[in-house]
Amino acid sequence: DQQVKQNSPSLSVQEGRISILNCDYTNSMFDYFLWYKKYPAEGPTFLISISSIKDKNEDGRFTVFLNKSAKHLSLHIVPSQPGDSAVYFCAASVGGGSEKLVFGKGTKLTVNP
Amino acid sequence: GAVVSQHPSRVICKSGTSVKIECRSLDFQATTMFWYRQFPKKSLMLMATSNEGSKATYEQGVEKDKFLINHASLTLSTLTVTSAHPEDSSFYICSARDERGGSYNEQFFGPGTRLTVL
Repeated sequence: DQQVKQNSPSLSVQEGRISILNCDYTNSMFDYFLWYKKYPAEGPTFLISISSIKDKNEDGRFTVFLNKSAKHLSLHIVPSQPGDSAVYFCAASVGGGSEKLVFGKGTKLTVNP
Repeated sequence: GAVVSQHPSRVICKSGTSVKIECRSLDFQATTMFWYRQFPKKSLMLMATSNEGSKATYEQGVEKDKFLINHASLTLSTLTVTSAHPEDSSFYICSARDERGGSYNEQFFGPGTRLTVL
């Protein structure tokens, strides 16, 4: 049973445009959500997170939106840059980002120059 | 920033041997570290939670006698894959919890270890 789902295995966008990565979850106990960026043969790098008490969190070019009623979150990258090309993982936890994380399968983002 | 290192980055071993992977938090202390495993084109799967000074907590389906975890200090956790078999070949990643951040503390990940068992 996959509790965190990223249904798009890949996404391709043009440089300068918006990238939108989606994530759905099934466990209503999750109260903290994170996005990680990962390059091949490297560990994930934390990007941005959001607590369930919020519906939006913004950090520079990255914004995460949370829709609790739909159990859906999304990561927006504006403007997209070629260096953003990587695999993006959505993760969720119960009790904050310090607790064990449940990851989605990831979405490979390619930003074309 | 919070930096987590892993050693080795790559290891190739023969079937039946044991392999030890180290995870270190370089600039902070971590009472809790996590060990994940990633199969090709798959998600990261949590294997166990490593607690300094106590026994690790293993996820369902993970053999504790196969994957030995030792968290002997606040900056070091080790994962030993015992009697390795080809099906243990995978990418192993650790993370450490940085507890300086207050109520919501982030996990920082190591660069991973690629294990290949021949």
